[in-house]
Amino acid sequence: AIRMTQSPSSFSASTGDRVTITCRASQGISSYLAWYQQKPGKAPKLLIYAASTLQSGVPSRFSGSGSGTDFTLTISCLQSEDFATYYCQQYYSYPSFGPGTKVDIK
Amino acid sequence: QVQLQESGPGLVKPSQTLSLTCTVSGGSISSGSYYWSWIRQPAGKGLEWIGRIYTSGSTNYNPSLKSRVTISVDTSKNQFSLKLSSVTAADTAVYYCARGGYDSSGTWGQGTLVTVSS
Repeated sequence: AIRMTQSPSSFSASTGDRVTITCRASQGISSYLAWYQQKPGKAPKLLIYAASTLQSGVPSRFSGSGSGTDFTLTISCLQSEDFATYYCQQYYSYPSFGPGTKVDIK
Repeated sequence: QVQLQESGPGLVKPSQTLSLTCTVSGGSISSGSYYWSWIRQPAGKGLEWIGRIYTSGSTNYNPSLKSRVTISVDTSKNQFSLKLSSVTAADTAVYYCARGGYDSSGTWGQGTLVTVSS
C-alpha cells in the first residue's frame, strides 16, 4: 500500500501569507496526485489534480507542483476563506489520502 | 450540473450491514466515463477511500475493506450503492459519495453520518 504523509500537520498563518504544504508518497506515483480543501462540516473540494492542474473555478492563487514522491501545494496570498484542512490523495494505485494539514488563523 | 445525495439509515447495529445509496441528479449515471466512489471520514479524523465503480461496472475496493464491501449501480434509478457488512463501532463515520475521473473526484455529495451502535 502507498502511504501518504503531509507536513506540517497544522500551522497558523495570516491573511496575505504565502503558504506551502508538503505531501510525500512512500513510493513513486508519477503525477497521480490531487489536492482537496475541506472546511468543517462540508465535503472536500477538489483544488488540483494531476499534481499541478487547477480544477475549473479554483482561484489561481492555488498551485501545485511535484512528481514522483514529493509534492507541494502553494497558496500565494492566503485569503480568509482559505482557512481549512488540506488533503493530498494519490491515484497511482488504489486511492489513498494523506492525513491532512490544518491551516488556521494566527 | 451534476449533484449527488447520500441516503440511508443513520444508525446501524454492530455485526449488521450498512447500506447507503447515492442518487445522481442533473445527469445520467451511465453517460460519460466516470468513477463513482465512496469515501468516509470518522469524526475529527481524515478521509478514507472505500471503493469505486466505473461506468462500465468494474469495481475497485480498498484492500483493507475489500472483504466487506460491495458497490453497485442501478442505472434505472440513476443511483449507486454501498454495502458494508459486519460493521463495528470503527465504521462510524460520515460517508460521502463522489464522482470523478481516474485521477480525482470533482463532485461530492454533502455526506451522511452513520453511527454503529446497539
